[in-house]
Amino acid sequence: DIQMTQSPSFVSASVGDRVIITCRASQVISNWLAWYQQKPGKAPRLLIYAASILQSGVPSRFSGSGSGTDFTLTISSLQPEDFAIYYCQQANSFSWTFGQGTKVEIK
Amino acid sequence: EVQLVESGGGLVQPGGSLRLSCAASGFTFPTFWMHWVRQAPGKGLVWVSRINTDGISTTYADPVKGRFTVSRDNARNTVYLHMNSLRAEDTAVYYCVRDPGCSETSCADYWGQGTLVTVSS
Repeated sequence: DIQMTQSPSFVSASVGDRVIITCRASQVISNWLAWYQQKPGKAPRLLIYAASILQSGVPSRFSGSGSGTDFTLTISSLQPEDFAIYYCQQANSFSWTFGQGTKVEIK
Repeated sequence: EVQLVESGGGLVQPGGSLRLSCAASGFTFPTFWMHWVRQAPGKGLVWVSRINTDGISTTYADPVKGRFTVSRDNARNTVYLHMNSLRAEDTAVYYCVRDPGCSETSCADYWGQGTLVTVSS
């Protein structure tokens, strides 16, 4: 099974900060990676798919990059509504695997 | 508007069974793969199962293999998750999600609101 490791697990940041979250796959997954945002009590929301394609309706301050085993999600200027938990997800095999999540909290 | 509405969750004893349903609307259901993803209280997301467009091909996560069965009724725009031999560790919110193919990869662009399954005596 492909394992996904996110880092850091926790980020304390201020409004306006640049935040970078990384995700590493245990084996090569090409660009089969997506990023999701989840707020308390809500279903996750798709942000990025195919490693770097912004989902329709998602603000342009979110961006994704990477290929192979190493990927990043960047929030260029953190907004109050961005405080949430972020998950990466691989889909290279017939099954999906999610990272353990990165919680972005207000400093 | 795309909508996915799960139902069927509840409290069940260990060893019991439940059937979850997910009613889809607002899109051409028979043309999309569908998945189930679960989230235990306070924990992360865990993929459970997937089913292809005609229901012939299914895949399961190891922890549920042999106990859970995913199926779909394209005439009713509904996907199901039949859960048998339930264990305490199956306690979670279960989400039904749509997979549009995502630029020839795979992802979940729409999620239901989730239905809570609690396995406890």
